Formats: sequence, structure tokens, C-alpha cells
Amino acid sequence: EPEVTQTPSHQVTQMGQEVILRCVPISNHLYFYWYRQILGQKVEFLVSFYNNEISEKSEIFDDQFSVERPDGSNFTLKIRSTKLEDSAMYFCASSEVVWGLPYEQYFGPGTRLTVT
Amino acid sequence: AQTVTQSQPEMSVQEAETVTLSCTYDTSESDYYLFWYKQPPSRQMILVIRQEAYKQQNATENRFSVNFQKAAKSFSLKISDSQLGDAAMYFCAYRTPWGTSYDKVIFGPGTSLSVIP
Repeated sequence: EPEVTQTPSHQVTQMGQEVILRCVPISNHLYFYWYRQILGQKVEFLVSFYNNEISEKSEIFDDQFSVERPDGSNFTLKIRSTKLEDSAMYFCASSEVVWGLPYEQYFGPGTRLTVT
Repeated sequence: AQTVTQSQPEMSVQEAETVTLSCTYDTSESDYYLFWYKQPPSRQMILVIRQEAYKQQNATENRFSVNFQKAAKSFSLKISDSQLGDAAMYFCAYRTPWGTSYDKVIFGPGTSLSVIP
């Protein structure tokens, strides 16, 4: 069964460093998402992406965040200058498009980001 | 704005017994989707069960079933014959209606379920 994959599973970085989290969505999916879960808290929506542009973003998704689909298979989340409070689990999700609109979302296994 | 509430931060159940996790939500939409996700210690997000709001019949998936009360905006999860592997954090989630150009899943705060051998 097709699944969303994410690399790395755990990333440790120093405060102020740039980090790129990678996701490979399900191959025929065209809508992509990033969610964040700070330890002990609920999962929060960050951003959705379709047709090479951001479809919607939350208040959390400020200028230090960016997303990109650099090729036909990867979807990345970049954090330019990491802060301690960026430490969290980051989930990628993807959905297929039906009649131009997103359908069911499938989540990846997550990347645990630790900022020291 | 849509919100999802889970009033039970922690629950426990004896192995082989039945437990019900509560969830309420708020929305002005008439059509939407509701989910229960399971998050084990590995922190992977696993879809347990899905309910379309337009369907009156409650969804079931093996030992998992829901009680969907649309008028009350309530969506509880029942786990029958609980197993040790059911121990996890459970998140209730709401998804914006299909057919809207924006799309996100809104999660509740979670209920931590312990299974006692």
C-alpha cells in the first residue's frame, strides 16, 4: 500500500541553524501539508501546498518557514534559523485531487526535530 | 472557527474490556469529516476510523466503532476487547468539508489511553 515517507526520522540541530525536513508524498497525490506537534501538545496545521504554491498557512507559519517541491517526488519544509521552540514532531501529509479539490489526507511517520 | 475538544486527558481500561473516548466539536458546516487517530509511543499518526458527516450510520472498523451524534456535535470512540497494543494517545480530528478549496485537519488535544493487563 502506498504511503507517505519522511526523512530523517530524527534531526538534531543547533539553534540558529537552517534545517530542511523532507517528505515523499504518495505518488499520485497533488496536495501536500505540514503539521507540527510540540511534545505533549496537539497537532497543529502549518501549511498546505498545491500547484506549486501555498494554498493556506497558519499563524505559526511565519517568515522563517518555507516549503518547496524541488522535483516531482519530494516536498520539503525549511526552517531558516531554528529556535528552541521549533523542537517538535513534524508531520507531512498528502492527498489526491478529485475534480480539482483535495480528498483524504494520508500522514507520514513524522520527523522529530530537536533544537539545542 | 472549527474546534475539537476532548475532555478526558487520560483514560485506562482493563485488558479485554470496553472503553469509550469522548470528543465534541464545533462547526457551522453541515458536511465534514471526523476521524480518530492513534499515536503510539513511536509518535506515528495512524488513522483508526473515519466518519462522513452526511452518513447517519456509525462507522465501524473491527473492534473500533464510533457513536456519531451530529445534532449534539459529539463523536465518541468505542474500543471493544481492549488489547495491550491499544495503549496510545488518541486524537479526535475534524476535517474541513470536501469541496472547499482550502483543506486542513483540526486535531483535539488528545486522550492518553492505558491498558491494564
